[in-house]
Amino acid sequence: QKEVEQDPGPLSVPEGAIVSLNCTYSNSAFQYFMWYRQYSRKGPELLMYTYSSGNKEDGRFTAQVDKSSKYISLFIRDSQPSDSATYLCASQGSYIPTFGRGTSLIVHP
Amino acid sequence: DAGVTQSPTHLIKTRGQHVTLRCSPISGHKSVSWYQQVLGQGPQFIFQYYEKEERGRGNFPDRFSARQFPNYSSELNVNALLLGDSALYLCASSLVTDTGELFFGEGSRLTVL
Repeated sequence: QKEVEQDPGPLSVPEGAIVSLNCTYSNSAFQYFMWYRQYSRKGPELLMYTYSSGNKEDGRFTAQVDKSSKYISLFIRDSQPSDSATYLCASQGSYIPTFGRGTSLIVHP
Repeated sequence: DAGVTQSPTHLIKTRGQHVTLRCSPISGHKSVSWYQQVLGQGPQFIFQYYEKEERGRGNFPDRFSARQFPNYSSELNVNALLLGDSALYLCASSLVTDTGELFFGEGSRLTVL
C-alpha cells in the first residue's frame, strides 16, 4: 500500500462547477498536508498548505484535513478552464514529503 | 525574486552514459531536494540536502548521487544510465526541512535511448 493514495482521474467538469479532489494517507505520523498544482510539462507549484486537522481557505480553494479518517480534500469553487492541471496531494511527518500520483482535472468551457 | 532554476531543461543520453543536473535554489533557502517524476506518477524522493549535509535519501540505487555546494546550489549525478531513468527530474528548495513547503523548479527532462 502506498503511503499517499490518489485517484489519477481524469476528472472532467464544466466551467463554474465545484470540484472535489481527494487523497488518503496511511502514516499516522504525517502532520503537514499540501496540495500542489502541476501544469503540463512544468514543475509543481505549492497551492495550499495545512498543519494537522482542519480547514484552510484561500480564494476559490479550500483544503480540508481529517486526521481521524486520514483523508485530505481540496475543493475548488467556480472552476475555470485555467484550473485544468494535475493536482498532487502530499503529506509529511518529518523531513520528506510523500506525494500521491496526482489527479488530472479538466475544466471545459 | 528568481525562483528555483534548473539546467539543462532537456537532454538526451544513451544507455551507460553519465548525466549531471544542476539546481540553484531560491535566495535564502538552505535546503534542496531532488525528485524523479515518471510520466503519470507523482514525484519520487531521491535526496534532500540541508546546509550541505545529506538529510535523507530515497529508495534509489547507488548510481544516483548528489551534493550541495557552499552557495546552496546542488548537483544530481546519475551514472550508467538505464532506459528506466528517463523522467522529469525536479529540484525543490525550502527554507527549512520539516514543513513540506517546497518550491519546485521547472525540471530537467531526461530521455535515455
